[in-house]
Amino acid sequence: DAGVTQSPTHLIKTRGQHVTLRCSPISGHKSVSWYQQVLGQGPQFIFQYYEKEERGRGNFPDRFSARQFPNYSSELNVNALLLGDSALYLCASSWGVTREAFFGQGTRLTVV
Amino acid sequence: GQQVMQIPQYQHVQEGEDFTTYCNSSTTLSNIQWYKQRPGGHPVFLIQLVKSGEVKKQKRLTFQFGEAKKNSSLHITATQTTDVGTYFCAGESNYQLIWGAGTKLIIKP
Repeated sequence: DAGVTQSPTHLIKTRGQHVTLRCSPISGHKSVSWYQQVLGQGPQFIFQYYEKEERGRGNFPDRFSARQFPNYSSELNVNALLLGDSALYLCASSWGVTREAFFGQGTRLTVV
Repeated sequence: GQQVMQIPQYQHVQEGEDFTTYCNSSTTLSNIQWYKQRPGGHPVFLIQLVKSGEVKKQKRLTFQFGEAKKNSSLHITATQTTDVGTYFCAGESNYQLIWGAGTKLIIKP
């Protein structure tokens, strides 16, 4: 069985640009969460979606948005990129809202 | 806001010595999960504790959840090189996982 897959694996963007990150959960998982991990720190919660509805939102600006599709895959969008948005973006899927999370390999975003 | 404090930030040990990391939450948690992240990798789920005072063991790893469900610890007995990585706790509160900053286990050469 395939694990959580994220694309792209690496991305370089310029300040002010927009980026879309994609995540495919493990088959059967209905919950997808997005995290931002800056080097040397723990993951910071951005969003959780369950059954295509937003169930939780972390302390991130409105430049960050996400959605979940009928097949439970998800996109994270970030507008007006800042240098500080450079980080590893992790997607995690789970059976339910509060079950153990299975992480993808992440997307390494560099904003220059 | 809700926080989970994790200490220490780093722990250097000789191979064979023990390792412990501690997490404290500002609020009561529904449950706490522990993850391990190897250098360059992604977090991998280790265990979830739900009950007050719960203790679980996985071979050389012992996990505890405090009576008040606000603190937790992970203890590794007789560390091995394969234990190297960063250990994170993540506490669930209001359907969100709040992560500690992690404790990096470093084996001295």
